[in-house]
Amino acid sequence: AQTVTQSQPEMSVQEAETVTLSCTYDTSESDYYLFWYKQPPSRQMILVIRQEAYKQQNATENRFSVNFQKAAKSFSLKISDSQLGDAAMYFCAYRSGYGGSQGNLIFGKGTKLSVKP
Amino acid sequence: DAGITQSPRHKVTETGTPVTLRCHQTENHRYMYWYRQDPGHGLRLIHYSYGVKDTDKGEVSDGYSVSRSKTEDFLLTLESATSSQTSVYFCAISESAEYNEQFFGPGTRLTVL
Repeated sequence: AQTVTQSQPEMSVQEAETVTLSCTYDTSESDYYLFWYKQPPSRQMILVIRQEAYKQQNATENRFSVNFQKAAKSFSLKISDSQLGDAAMYFCAYRSGYGGSQGNLIFGKGTKLSVKP
Repeated sequence: DAGITQSPRHKVTETGTPVTLRCHQTENHRYMYWYRQDPGHGLRLIHYSYGVKDTDKGEVSDGYSVSRSKTEDFLLTLESATSSQTSVYFCAISESAEYNEQFFGPGTRLTVL
């Protein structure tokens, strides 16, 4: 069974600085997708970024980028120029590329990010 | 934003009473999911649906049942609510079981006294 581990329950960053959130996963599959979701105090789950395992290039979305290390099974999220609105819970998630269990997401337990002004 | 609504958004009920949560989508996506979120556990899958009348169990399905009679609606029922089912419940939808990401509804906070 696949597992996702976020080893940092809480992180803090100064506004305008850069922070990296860690995520590791365990799988025997070669085809899969990885996601980072953001959950602000409003509770809404917002997709931040996705990475296809078959792509070597790291995904980037504006100030958000990932460091995808397939061999190490690591998928970290880097937030550049942190803003107060980035304060939230961040969840790393895995999804099988084979439609296993009809594509349900396997989540890590989350990292709570605080941004200091 | 994906068109997903959940009702009710908040509910307080007593142990032993039946509760039904509704998820409604306007995206015509085939796949629908119910997750629960608890502190220290992230989100865990309760049940999912891969088509009308096609459903299956997830990781934490005990005490829950689901139904999907129309593409747009996915119902989660707690036949006899218990305090351990106090949680935040999220519905999610997806076009496919592989490629596409899941989009989430706003969540329902359920408290069982």
